[in-house]
Amino acid sequence: EVQLVESGGGLVQPGRSLRLSCAASGFTFDDYAMHWVRQAPGKGLEWVSGISWNSGSIGYADSVKGRFTISRDNAKNSLYLQMNSLRAEDTALYYCAKEGQQLVPRFDYFDYWGQGTLVTVSS
Amino acid sequence: QSVLTQPPSASGTPGQRVTISCSGSSSNIGSNTVNWYQQLPGTAPKLLIYSNNQRPSGVPDRFSGSKSGTSASLAISGLQSEDEADYYCAAWDDSLNGLYVFGTGTKVTVL
Repeated sequence: EVQLVESGGGLVQPGRSLRLSCAASGFTFDDYAMHWVRQAPGKGLEWVSGISWNSGSIGYADSVKGRFTISRDNAKNSLYLQMNSLRAEDTALYYCAKEGQQLVPRFDYFDYWGQGTLVTVSS
Repeated sequence: QSVLTQPPSASGTPGQRVTISCSGSSSNIGSNTVNWYQQLPGTAPKLLIYSNNQRPSGVPDRFSGSKSGTSASLAISGLQSEDEADYYCAAWDDSLNGLYVFGTGTKVTVL
């Protein structure tokens, strides 16, 4: 059974940093791209960032480019999101999601999602 | 902001057919496949349709997807109370450095 468990969320002041983690199990982690998607309270879904299976292809939404860094450790079956210079508008539930297609160089669809970790940016 | 436009709401009575539209452009829907996600209240999104019209295992055949040009649609036939949820279309966008875009979302209400 595929499981994605996010952690690392919490309350943080504007301008500070936070690192999210996603522990994956139930599939061959290093065969799939992984993504972070967020949802602000009462709002829709926003793709934040994605990383290919071998970290060779990485993408970011314009809203986080230059502030957030996605990475993965295939030996630990883990995905990360380093978030710097946080702003109030980064407040959201952050989901970890698995790419649907195996060993592809581009991003397509997300077939499994975690339950999310809440990030609140406020003074 | 989202570049895929959906109606904010749709509704129907049990057993009816409901259709949700998703309008994009040549850089996203026009040149890439469309996916649909269902988000039940208080839960994480779930993949409903991928590659325009493919259903993952376990998704009832009441759900179907289609694409034409720069638009796509999701149809729910035989609407059931458990279909009350938010629905999002999504696609890769080839503009600039590339990014994955979601639609604005449609709340489906079963009357």
